[in-house]
Amino acid sequence: QQQVKQSPQSLIVQKGGISIINCAYENTAFDYFPWYQQFPGKGPALLIAIRPDVSEKKEGRFTISFNKSAKQFSLHIMDSQPGDSATYFCAAGEGSNSGYSTLTFGKGTMLLVSP
Amino acid sequence: DAGVIQSPRHEVTEMGQEVTLRCKPISGHNSLFWYRQTMMRGLELLIYFNNNVPIDDSGMPEDRFSAKMPNASFSTLKIQPSEPRDSAVYFCASSLRVGGWGTQYFGPGTRLTVL
Repeated sequence: QQQVKQSPQSLIVQKGGISIINCAYENTAFDYFPWYQQFPGKGPALLIAIRPDVSEKKEGRFTISFNKSAKQFSLHIMDSQPGDSATYFCAAGEGSNSGYSTLTFGKGTMLLVSP
Repeated sequence: DAGVIQSPRHEVTEMGQEVTLRCKPISGHNSLFWYRQTMMRGLELLIYFNNNVPIDDSGMPEDRFSAKMPNASFSTLKIQPSEPRDSAVYFCASSLRVGGWGTQYFGPGTRLTVL
């Protein structure tokens, strides 16, 4: 069962454009939604994260929009740059009373920003 | 800090051989995660440790896979015997979780090819 569905699989955006990646989840117990960025040959790195008590979080050119009722969240990259070309993963995490917690990742979106 | 260190970076082996992947987490972190990344299945959590204790190994594919964390600064993932379908990039990640969520920091990965 795929608990976090991510789309599109790949995306080509012109420099200066807006890149939008969407994710949907099923488990209403998820309480943490990070986005990771991965460059070729590197491990994923945390880009930005949001909790369900807010509907939007912005850090520089990167914004997460969160819709709790629809169980969806998205990443917007404003003024996309060639250096943003990478694979982006959404993830969702469920905390537990025991204090242990893990992340479930989407399958990733390959973003190419053309010069 | 040097970040999460993994070795080897690349491993090519023949079917049936034993493979051992190594990870040194970030000093002071109390959680360690092993992931496998493939094009087909994306990023999958194999096992995670909290304070050196394995908490959930439900993601380990089968008995051929085993993981240990003898101390806070070292972990291994072993595959014995290896099979071609084990070919993937294996990531180790660590985090410091105090109360709420801790960011997972990924290592550079080990690219495993089983011939």
